This record gives sequence, C-alpha cells and structure tokens, in this order.
Amino acid sequence: DAKTTQPPSMDCAEGRAANLPCNHSTISGNEYVYWYRQIHSQGPQYIIHGLKNNETNEMASLIITEDRKSSTLILPHATLRDTAVYYCIVRVPFYNQGGKLIFGQGTELSVKP
Amino acid sequence: DTEVTQTPKHLVMGMTNKKSLKCEQHMGHRAMYWYKQKAKKPPELMFVYSYEKLSINESVPSRFSPECPNSSLLNLHLHALQPEDSALYLCASSQVGSLNQPQHFGDGTRLSIL
Repeated sequence: DAKTTQPPSMDCAEGRAANLPCNHSTISGNEYVYWYRQIHSQGPQYIIHGLKNNETNEMASLIITEDRKSSTLILPHATLRDTAVYYCIVRVPFYNQGGKLIFGQGTELSVKP
Repeated sequence: DTEVTQTPKHLVMGMTNKKSLKCEQHMGHRAMYWYKQKAKKPPELMFVYSYEKLSINESVPSRFSPECPNSSLLNLHLHALQPEDSALYLCASSQVGSLNQPQHFGDGTRLSIL
C-alpha cells in the first residue's frame, strides 16, 4: 500500500515557483522520501531525495517537516517542460536489498504560459 | 538520455506468442527491477534482482518469467499473456543495500496483447 498522499492535480504559471505537497504521516525513521517525475511516454526521472534535512540540487528543493510527516517539492522557476506527473515516494527497506519504491498516485502538474 | 536501455520500445503480441523484453545498464548497479504501469496509474513493482539472484517476486503470475543472466542484463520472458497484461513495462537499476542512492529507470517497453 502507498505510504504517501498527494493532490491529484495542480496548475502553475510559467516562471513561478511550483510547490508540490506530499503527506507521509506513517513514515518510519529509516525510510527516505524520494521524488520522481514522469513525462508522457517516458520512464520516471529521479529528481531529489532526503531523510530528515532539507535538500537542494540543480533541479529542485525538498523541504521536509521536522516531524517528517510531510514534505514539499519546490521547482523554483517552472517551465513548460516541467509539465509532468510528480510522484512522492517512500523508499521502504527490504532486508539489505536497497529497498522498495512504493509509488503513490502522483500529482499531475500543468505549467501554463 | 537514460542510462538504462530497454528494448523493444513497442511490442504487439498475440496471447499464444512467446516474447522477451530486455534491459541493459552499465552503471555497475547490482540491483535490477521490473515494474508494470497501467495507463494513468503509478508503476507497480514486479520483481527485484540482487547480485543476479531473484530477491522479490510480488506475487506475479508465472506467465511472466524474469531472468538476470549477468550484472548488466535483465530479461522478462512472456508467454500466454492476457489482454489485461497490456501495459508499460519499466526496468530500473540501483546500488544494492543503500536507501540513499536513487533507482534509475529506462523508458520502458509498451506492450499490447491482442
């Protein structure tokens, strides 16, 4: 069963920041939060991940609340090419195998001119 | 460009056919995965291989038969599939034993069962 809940869809104006929320209230202490996006007809593309601290890379920022029950993915200057389905995922340990990705239903982000 | 290569990109087959999907990666990853994705749904894990051994089978029907012949290759053999098996089949790879390293996905094989 998915461990995350996301709004099914969001709109964002081109050039503005896109803030995508995710709830993961049942996350365990050693489970990471991962974000992927999927553009139509392509495989999921890795964006960013984190455990406790906020993270930033060249694509996005990830803000994780102190209690780790929710997080927000921030695309600082959205472009039309950022239109995609965004998945917030909890990576669940499985023995020492590197863990399982449990996908939620995702948020369909539409960036509009 | 994806570092995980899947072939073919599209496959149409009848219910009595036997076919195989192929996946290749050269990132030195020793964990490889098969996912199934139906239209407008998230990917669902099917199989996990770790050091070329099957470590997770998510109760997948036996008409799907995975194989990992070496550390770079992953196959999915298909036989006697049903129309409901039409989907996008995704392969992924990652390092073993680390939750702190991402899985890398290919662009998938879109399978249609007639």
